[in-house]
Amino acid sequence: DAGVIQSPRHEVTEMGQEVTLRCKPISGHNSLFWYRQTMMRGLELLIYFNNNVPIDDSGMPEDRFSAKMPNASFSTLKIQPSEPRDSAVYFCASSLASVLVETQYFGPGTRLLVL
Amino acid sequence: AQSVTQLGSHVSVSEGALVLLRCNYSSSVPPYLFWYVQYPNQGLQLLLKYTSAATLVKGINGFEAEFKKSETSFHLTKPSAHMSDAAEYFCAVRNSGSRLTFGEGTQLTVNP
Repeated sequence: DAGVIQSPRHEVTEMGQEVTLRCKPISGHNSLFWYRQTMMRGLELLIYFNNNVPIDDSGMPEDRFSAKMPNASFSTLKIQPSEPRDSAVYFCASSLASVLVETQYFGPGTRLLVL
Repeated sequence: AQSVTQLGSHVSVSEGALVLLRCNYSSSVPPYLFWYVQYPNQGLQLLLKYTSAATLVKGINGFEAEFKKSETSFHLTKPSAHMSDAAEYFCAVRNSGSRLTFGEGTQLTVNP
C-alpha cells in the first residue's frame, strides 16, 4: 500500500517567491497533519484537518502560511511570500481518527531551502 | 497541556550493547505515549505506543518501552543494539484532539 505521498521532495527558491507543498494522505484516513522540523525548534505541528476541515491552526507561524484540504485525498501548504527563516523540512502525516488511539503515518517530507 | 522531555540529545552505544533512551512525561490525565524513529532523510516511523492496556509495550525492531506512572517515565529499550538502529528517536504524547507533542529527540549512534 502507498504511504503518505509528498511533493516535491526538495525545493529551492528565492526569498519572496511563493512555495506550494503537496500531500496525498493514505487512502481511508480522515485526519491530516502538517509539521515543520528545524534544528532550532524541533518538530512543530502547524495545522491539522479532520474530515477536510481545519481543526487546529494555532501552530501556523503567520499569515504568510496557509493550508487547504479541498478533498479527502489532497492537501496543500502554501507560503507566500517565502523567507529564509522558512527553510526547514515539512512533513505531512495522516491518521484514522476513529480509532481510540490513532497512529499518525508520516510522509518522507519536503526539504525547503529559501535563499 | 501534556508534554514530554527526552533526557540526552545524543546517546552512543557499542554494537550488541543495551540501548536505553529516556523519556519523561508531564500530564494531568492518563497519557497516550508514543515512540517514533527517524532515519536520515526520511519521515517518522512509529516504533510503539502506550494505550494503557499494558505497561510493557513491545514494538518493532526489538524495541520495547515500559510505562511507569510513579516515575512519569516511558523509557525505550533494546537489549542488543544493531548498526541499523542508528537514527533519531522521538518520544511524543497525545494532547487535545489528535495533537501530538514531540520531545526534542535523541540521536542514537551505534559504534562497531
